[in-house]
Amino acid sequence: GNSVTQMEGPVTLSEEAFLTINCTYTATGYPSLFWYVQYPGEGLQLLLKATKADDKGSNKGFEATYRKETTSFHLEKGSVQVSDSAVYFCALSVEKAAGNKLTFGGGTRVLVKP
Amino acid sequence: GAGVSQSPSNKVTEKGKDVELRCDPISGHTALYWYRQSLGQGLEFLIYFQGNSAPDKSGLPSDRFSAERTGGSVSTLTIQRTQQEDSAVYLCASSSWGGITDTQYFGPGTRLTVL
Repeated sequence: GNSVTQMEGPVTLSEEAFLTINCTYTATGYPSLFWYVQYPGEGLQLLLKATKADDKGSNKGFEATYRKETTSFHLEKGSVQVSDSAVYFCALSVEKAAGNKLTFGGGTRVLVKP
Repeated sequence: GAGVSQSPSNKVTEKGKDVELRCDPISGHTALYWYRQSLGQGLEFLIYFQGNSAPDKSGLPSDRFSAERTGGSVSTLTIQRTQQEDSAVYLCASSSWGGITDTQYFGPGTRLTVL
């Protein structure tokens, strides 16, 4: 089956620190990979995505590269801000006959302190 | 344009009662998904609608759960005889065509509490 494993949180770091959230996956088929973010009190929103191997998704200073050889899609940001405090979800979608549901990881809570 | 909307935002009900949760997808989106977010299970898929095709119900946890989508737009998720383990945030998402590269846009969710 399909599954996503991401590092457990919470991750606490200071402003301007480097952030990495590890994400690995197993999939039946060729998946598309996503990072979604949930800010406090808000709904899930797409942060970035990559649809084929070696693609790099980027948005708001965050980056993630689709690594097929290691089945990974780690999220990185070089200098975090307090406003990046949120829960981050890694997810995948694999084509099937009746829908392309997202399979999510467990989420990683990130807290950035000033 | 308007995003995905869901109502109610919060619902408190007693065990054994039926509840209905509503989702209004983004206009023109043919694909609609329901997910559930709970402390114990994380984010899990429930059901998927695509146009006029038969829905993919593979994620529904029991036959107490059902959903319909009228006119290819609004969807209602119904939980019959609610149980305490049904307490969760129910999320609706829509996407333009339902492909695996397609972005799913999520609503704010309905927080269901079963007493």
